[in-house]
Amino acid sequence: EAGVVQSPRYKIIEKKQPVAFWCNPISGHNTLYWYRQNLGQGPELLIRYENEEAVDDSQLPKDRFSAERLKGVDSTLKIQPAELGDSAVYLCASTPGPGGTSGRTEQFFGPGTRLTVL
Amino acid sequence: GQNIDQPTEMTATEGAIVQINCTYQTSGFNGLFWYQQHAGEAPTFLSYNVLDGLEEKGRFSSFLSRSKGYSYLLLKELQMKDSASYLCAVRDGARNFNKFYFGSGTKLNVKP
Repeated sequence: EAGVVQSPRYKIIEKKQPVAFWCNPISGHNTLYWYRQNLGQGPELLIRYENEEAVDDSQLPKDRFSAERLKGVDSTLKIQPAELGDSAVYLCASTPGPGGTSGRTEQFFGPGTRLTVL
Repeated sequence: GQNIDQPTEMTATEGAIVQINCTYQTSGFNGLFWYQQHAGEAPTFLSYNVLDGLEEKGRFSSFLSRSKGYSYLLLKELQMKDSASYLCAVRDGARNFNKFYFGSGTKLNVKP
């Protein structure tokens, strides 16, 4: 079974430029997460989708960040314009969702996109 | 707010046993997860506790006390490849069942 796929793996941009990240979750996983992870820190939730609905975006800096999951499958996270402080690893994760049969329901993470803003 | 605390860094010797503690204060609780994260890689699932007690899985065990808001991850027979960060994560309660809160991670250094 294919895991969570993310692209690109690395991105270097200059500040004020736009950038986009793409994620394809595990097939059948209804819940999709975007996290930001700074060096030496744990992942911080940016946005959570249940199917195509954003159910938790309270931590998303909406002045510059946007996300979409139009058909409830893959998702795109965009930053425009990027700032120096946005340099981090952006992780996408998925779980089967509330309908999952396993109480365990751990998250499956993609490899992440390492963003460097110069 | 949500608060999850772990030690920042630990060092242990190959072949030894190490215990990584995690304390949490969250508005809801529906399970505690431990993940392993090697440098530059994605977190991978290690263990899950939702009821009090010990869950054993090979060289790894995890313990939970819900009344104390406390968990630990126990690693036995340490190997060099166990050098990684270990993340404690709490899943929220019923209304936010699929929301997870992560600690900052504990960087474990295994020395020969």
